[in-house]
Amino acid sequence: QSALTQPASVSGSPGQSITISCTGTSSDVGGYNYVSWYQQHPGKAPKLMIYEVSNRPSGVSNRFSGSKSGNTASLTISGLQAEDEGDYYCSSYTSSSTLVLFGGGTKVTVL
Amino acid sequence: QLQLQESGPGLVKPSETLSLICSVSGGSISRSSYYWGWIRQPPGKGLEWIGSIYYTGSTYDNPSLKSRLTMSVDTSKNQFSLKLSSVTAADTAVYYCARPRTGTPYYFDYWGQGTLVTVSS
Repeated sequence: QSALTQPASVSGSPGQSITISCTGTSSDVGGYNYVSWYQQHPGKAPKLMIYEVSNRPSGVSNRFSGSKSGNTASLTISGLQAEDEGDYYCSSYTSSSTLVLFGGGTKVTVL
Repeated sequence: QLQLQESGPGLVKPSETLSLICSVSGGSISRSSYYWGWIRQPPGKGLEWIGSIYYTGSTYDNPSLKSRLTMSVDTSKNQFSLKLSSVTAADTAVYYCARPRTGTPYYFDYWGQGTLVTVSS
């Protein structure tokens, strides 16, 4: 099954807000509230930032927020900071036998 | 604090079997209702879910790998393992073990540091 679709890159200036999209189908993103988002810095393991569309694990800044509309989920980073640079991956449960899908990843650059 | 650590050979020859172990500390595999997972990431590429295993041995497998994949649990050692047979260069990746946040194995909040496995002769 194809991966979820994310833009290859998104950039913004410090203090700005950016949004990363994640497009799937009604069999995954659109059909279930099991969308999650991960942040990954070079050479490090992914870190869970958002789960079940819009929930933040404890310790994750409230500058990170998630939402979903139809088959597209979004991660918004407000008050962009230099430390937010990295790769971001969305993920979703899928009713196909694959069970878990990831997006191709989005590189966030702070200008 | 829960910690996961992958271990295994960093170099595997084509057509051979890749074997990795994930050692869990700070929590018991058999006293929790989690499907422990494996995820991999080819160099410079995105993440791919490989599969997940419960302490009873029940598994969810990625269909694209299912025919080559074997997962197991050793509760006495608090470890779970991955074997991937008939490997090719396409299996070169950083392999992570992870624990999901809840009993549903759809998103992971504890990850090992990852181990790079290179398939090459």
